[in-house]
Amino acid sequence: DAEITQSPRHKITETGRQVTLACHQTWNHNNMFWYRQDLGHGLRLIHYSYGVQDTNKGEVSDGYSVSRSNTEDLPLTLESAASSQTSVYFCASSEGLAGNEQFFGPGTRLTVL
Amino acid sequence: AQSVTQPDIHITVSEGASLELRCNYSYGATPYLFWYVQSPGQGLQLLLKYFSGDTLVQGIKGFEAEFKRSQSSFNLRKPSVHWSDAAEYFCAVGDKASKIIFGSGTRLSIRP
Repeated sequence: DAEITQSPRHKITETGRQVTLACHQTWNHNNMFWYRQDLGHGLRLIHYSYGVQDTNKGEVSDGYSVSRSNTEDLPLTLESAASSQTSVYFCASSEGLAGNEQFFGPGTRLTVL
Repeated sequence: AQSVTQPDIHITVSEGASLELRCNYSYGATPYLFWYVQSPGQGLQLLLKYFSGDTLVQGIKGFEAEFKRSQSSFNLRKPSVHWSDAAEYFCAVGDKASKIIFGSGTRLSIRP
């Protein structure tokens, strides 16, 4: 069955370190998204991609970057982790047409000390 | 700009009782509307979606939602809740660029 996976599931890091969260999907979807989930805020869009070599900034992109070198993967990098980036991160993917369902990964809980 | 409001942060209902979760949206055109559910420690799962046509939409797990354009609402309903329905529920609006804006969520607790 097609799926979307994230790794690691839990990560503890220190302020100032670079951190990369992995997202891999086997749906062969063109669209991929990264969200962060914080209490009281729901899910907020960090970055998204419509295909290989395409990346776009979302609502809360400061301090994050992504790259899309193939269809299956969209890694999220925190260049210099800050305590404000402690959160649960979700990756999602969807087919190209507007209004299609996004399929979500299980999430990564990141703690920045 | 598009936005989604879920006015209820936390709702508790008795098992077997009916449920209605409220959602209001702001969007300039006919919206794509979604309801997702998140069980503790899990990702989000789609319950149902509305694009056009019949304003009453049926979803999985016995849920339904009604689109009311005049009220800019898309409320989620279930006639009889089960203890397994305890979860976080998110209303969302999608745009023509395939992005989705989520509401802040409503946590549902079930009273035995």
